[in-house]
Amino acid sequence: AQTVTQSQPEMSVQEAETVTLSCTYDTSENNYYLFWYKQPPSRQMILVIRQEAYKQQNATENRFSVNFQKAAKSFSLKISDSQLGDTAMYFCAFSVETSGSRLTFGEGTQLTVNP
Amino acid sequence: DSGVTQTPKHLITATGQRVTLRCSPRSGDLSVYWYQQSLDQGLQFLIQYYNGEERAKGNILERFSAQQFPDLHSELNLSSLELGDSALYFCASSASPGTSGTGELFFGEGSRLTVL
Repeated sequence: AQTVTQSQPEMSVQEAETVTLSCTYDTSENNYYLFWYKQPPSRQMILVIRQEAYKQQNATENRFSVNFQKAAKSFSLKISDSQLGDTAMYFCAFSVETSGSRLTFGEGTQLTVNP
Repeated sequence: DSGVTQTPKHLITATGQRVTLRCSPRSGDLSVYWYQQSLDQGLQFLIQYYNGEERAKGNILERFSAQQFPDLHSELNLSSLELGDSALYFCASSASPGTSGTGELFFGEGSRLTVL
């Protein structure tokens, strides 16, 4: 069974600073996909970034980047130049090719960006 | 706007009752997924349909059932409701075929169910 663990229930950061959210996962599969989703107070689930396990290069999307360490089964999210609008719950998620895009989510990290 | 439509957005009902949540996937998406998010918790996978057929089941209670219709919309039926069923129920759809996990999931805005 696949599991996703986010060990930081809450984090805070000052506006314009950088913050890193941690995520570890466990799987015996070799081909899989990792995601970070953001859930703001509106409760909408918004994809932030995605990483294919077969790609060694870390994914980046504007101010968001990941540090993917396959051997360590670690997938952290770095948010640079934090903005007030980044305040949200962040979920790490995982899917395998054989599960048809079904995502397994971590418990989430509540990030608060302070002015 | 993700393109996934869920109705109703809010629903308040009493214990023992039955409700139906409806989801219309993005145009062209064949896969529909249902997730439950209880208060301050992560998303728990309930069930997946692909082109009208059940593809995978998660921790879905026997009191809950779902189906996907020929026009690809899906309904989640919750019966004999209990207080603990109060949650946000998300529907998501995917462009990927059911056997390939390469696509992201596009989520609706959720249906918030309150059982009193």
